[in-house]
Amino acid sequence: GAGVSQSPSNKVTEKGKDVELRCDPISGHTALYWYRQSLGQGLEFLIYFQGNSAPDKSGLPSDRFSAERTGGSVSTLTIQRTQQEDSAVYLCASSSRAYNEQFFGPGTRLTVL
Amino acid sequence: QQQVKQSPQSLIVQKGGIPIINCAYENTAFDYFPWYQQFPGKGPALLIAIRPDVSEKKEGRFTISFNKSAKQFSLHIMDSQPGDSATYFCAALYQGGKLIFGQGTELSVKP
Repeated sequence: GAGVSQSPSNKVTEKGKDVELRCDPISGHTALYWYRQSLGQGLEFLIYFQGNSAPDKSGLPSDRFSAERTGGSVSTLTIQRTQQEDSAVYLCASSSRAYNEQFFGPGTRLTVL
Repeated sequence: QQQVKQSPQSLIVQKGGIPIINCAYENTAFDYFPWYQQFPGKGPALLIAIRPDVSEKKEGRFTISFNKSAKQFSLHIMDSQPGDSATYFCAALYQGGKLIFGQGTELSVKP
């Protein structure tokens, strides 16, 4: 079956612009996660959705970051007024439920000029 | 307390050698410890995982050793091959969904 897919694979934007990153989880997976990977900070948890529960947003670095998950499937991570320090690879993962193995997508490489 | 400390940062071994990567944690609330392998340009892929009630787990050439009292765990790769050259991350699961990752180890296996 298909794995986790993310789009776009690469995104170059100018400082101050808004960006949207998309994640399509594995079909039937109820849990979805966003992580960020950068040279300076390694792999960091951002946000986690489990079923219809309120998302755990504890890893979002600022209020410029938000995410939603529509219909319990596709998720969009939005970064408003992008800054150069937002440049990183944004990874999405899904699991059949919480506590289960997380499968990662290939990531979106974001470059803020 | 939510950190996972990983060492070494990089590792070079000859083909057939047994690289060992170590991780340590403080938070006893962590209850699942996976290892991920990542190739350049790809997302991390689960290699092997262990729960704290088990001291060792083997899958193929990969073994996790887990010392609950010391809050340490390690990955051993038996008979390493050049194709194992990648970055390896240990992680700990927190509050059901958050993976807290180590800093990563870049492994190079020389032919």
